[in-house]
Amino acid sequence: EAGVAQSPRYKIIEKRQSVAFWCNPISGHATLYWYQQILGQGPKLLIQFQNNGVVDDSQLPKDRFSAERLKGVDSTLKIQPAKLEDSAVYLCASSLFRADQETQYFGPGTRLLVL
Amino acid sequence: DQQVKQNSPSLSVQEGRISILNCDYTNSMFDYFLWYKKYPAEGPTFLISISSIKDKNEDGRFTVFLNKSAKHLSLHIVPSQPGDSAVYFCAARSRSARQLTFGSGTQLTVLP
Repeated sequence: EAGVAQSPRYKIIEKRQSVAFWCNPISGHATLYWYQQILGQGPKLLIQFQNNGVVDDSQLPKDRFSAERLKGVDSTLKIQPAKLEDSAVYLCASSLFRADQETQYFGPGTRLLVL
Repeated sequence: DQQVKQNSPSLSVQEGRISILNCDYTNSMFDYFLWYKKYPAEGPTFLISISSIKDKNEDGRFTVFLNKSAKHLSLHIVPSQPGDSAVYFCAARSRSARQLTFGSGTQLTVLP
């Protein structure tokens, strides 16, 4: 079974530029998550999708971040314009829609450096 | 406000000995707990989980203990192997939300 795919793996941009990340979840997983992991911290949820609908985006800085999940499969996360403090690893995860557990499976992440 | 805390940023253990990683939480609504392992340049990998109706779950060399009254859980690895060297994250889910809240991680180093 293929895991969660993410691209690119690394990205370096200057502040005020825009950047986009792509994620393809595990086949059949209805729930998709984007996390931001700053160095030395645990992953922090940015947005959660159930199929192609947003379940929770309360921690997404909506003035500069946006995300979409067209057709309920793959997803893109965009930052425009980027700030220095956006330097982090952006992790995508997916899970089955089951009430009895919530094991999330993570992709390798995209490491973003904003200069 | 950190709802899930891992107070030890690092831990070193000799190969063959037991590794004990600790995690504390503050939210009494958490009902499901997970441990993830993360190698450099990779995403976190699910390791083991426990529901709040249990106090212990075992999977091979890995055992997770949950003490609800103390709001504390721990991960025991025995015997520890050099390949276990990684960052370990504790995560928790609340009854009302389907989201995970992560701790800041503990870097485990198993010395040969």
